[in-house]
Amino acid sequence: GNSVTQMEGPVTLSEEAFLTINCTYTATGYPSLFWYVQYPGEGLQLLLKATKADDKGSNKGFEATYRKETTSFHLEKGSVQVSDSAVYFCALRNTGKLIFGQGTTLQVKP
Amino acid sequence: GAGVSQSPRYKVAKRGQDVALRCDPISGHVSLFWYQQALGQGPEFLTYFQNEAQLDKSGLPSDRFFAERPEGSVSTLKIQRTQQEDSAVYLCASSPPQRVGTDTQYFGPGTRLTVL
Repeated sequence: GNSVTQMEGPVTLSEEAFLTINCTYTATGYPSLFWYVQYPGEGLQLLLKATKADDKGSNKGFEATYRKETTSFHLEKGSVQVSDSAVYFCALRNTGKLIFGQGTTLQVKP
Repeated sequence: GAGVSQSPRYKVAKRGQDVALRCDPISGHVSLFWYQQALGQGPEFLTYFQNEAQLDKSGLPSDRFFAERPEGSVSTLKIQRTQQEDSAVYLCASSPPQRVGTDTQYFGPGTRLTVL
């Protein structure tokens, strides 16, 4: 079946540090891959996506590359800010519905 | 423009009560999804509509859960005889027609249901 596994949090970083949040997936066929972010007190927002192998999604300084050979879609940012503190969800979409990982909490300290 | 809206934002129910949660999708979005998010977990799929047709209800946890979208716009998720394990945030999402060229789902703020 389809599933998504994310690294457990919380991840605590200092401002301007490099961020990686690991995400791997299991899927039949060729899913689209997504990162959603949930800021405190707000709803889920799409951060970035990739629809086929080797595509790179990017937004707000965040990047993730769709790696079919390693079934991964790791989220990276070169220099995090306090305002990036949030919960990040990796997800795949195969047959319409989204399948989410359990979420990774990022805390960025000044 | 207006995003996905949900009401009520918070609902407290006594065990055994029936509840109804409403979702107003983005205008023109034909696909509508319901998800359940337990505390500290990722959202889990419940059901999916395309216009008024319910195409997938495989995620509904029991026959106490029922969803409808009679006119292909507003949707209601109904939970009968609520149980404590139904306590969660219920999220609604909508996405535009495929011809628009994106399959992105846009989420509402959710309804937090607490069953006492």
